Amino acid sequence: QLQLQESGPGLVKSSETLSLTCTVSGGYISSGNYRWGWIRQSPGKGLEWIASVLYSGTSFYNPYLESRVTTSIDTSKNQFSLKLSSVTAADTAIYYCASHLIYVGYVSWGQGTLVTVSS
Amino acid sequence: VMTQSPATLSVSPGERATLSCRASQSVSTNLAWYQQKPGQTPSLLISETSTRATGVPARFSGSGSGTQFTLTISSLQSEDFAVYYCHQYNNWPHTFGQGTKLEIK
Repeated sequence: QLQLQESGPGLVKSSETLSLTCTVSGGYISSGNYRWGWIRQSPGKGLEWIASVLYSGTSFYNPYLESRVTTSIDTSKNQFSLKLSSVTAADTAIYYCASHLIYVGYVSWGQGTLVTVSS
Repeated sequence: VMTQSPATLSVSPGERATLSCRASQSVSTNLAWYQQKPGQTPSLLISETSTRATGVPARFSGSGSGTQFTLTISSLQSEDFAVYYCHQYNNWPHTFGQGTKLEIK
């Protein structure tokens, strides 16, 4: 069973870049059976898919966020990362990293990290 | 776009609950359901429309294909009251429904 853990600043200033890293344990991030995802949840709201990155580095983005999102993967550290630029208060949310087993769905989730955008 | 209905469903314990999810285009059977309890991380309930995840009770069942999907909970237990999300992973971008809150009547 994979374990995932998000890390990064809990407070980001408006207009700056949010950067988060997800560390995977219990398995290899280079596994072709998984896609590595970022999902967020604004306070009191539903789940919003942000992006997925494959072990090859190929990434897929939410079109509403695509102009501001970058993802990357570091197989040597078993980590993948998210950068969201030009943040505003609307980006305040719990950010989850999760492992998407192909043909199944998000089987393992990080505990989530609250990122607050301050003015 | 994934559209869930109803937004809130009030059901008494022991009764059946039926939650719906509609896709704006076909997602084949590449649809999952997640349960999220207050203050907790979402957890996978159903994958591939109808396959229960490990440890999920048999009272949970999923059905559908294409654009119409249903999650049925046959006899509600107290621990089932939560928010449920559908998620399509057939097409990029992946998308979640807005959720159905299942509350005690």
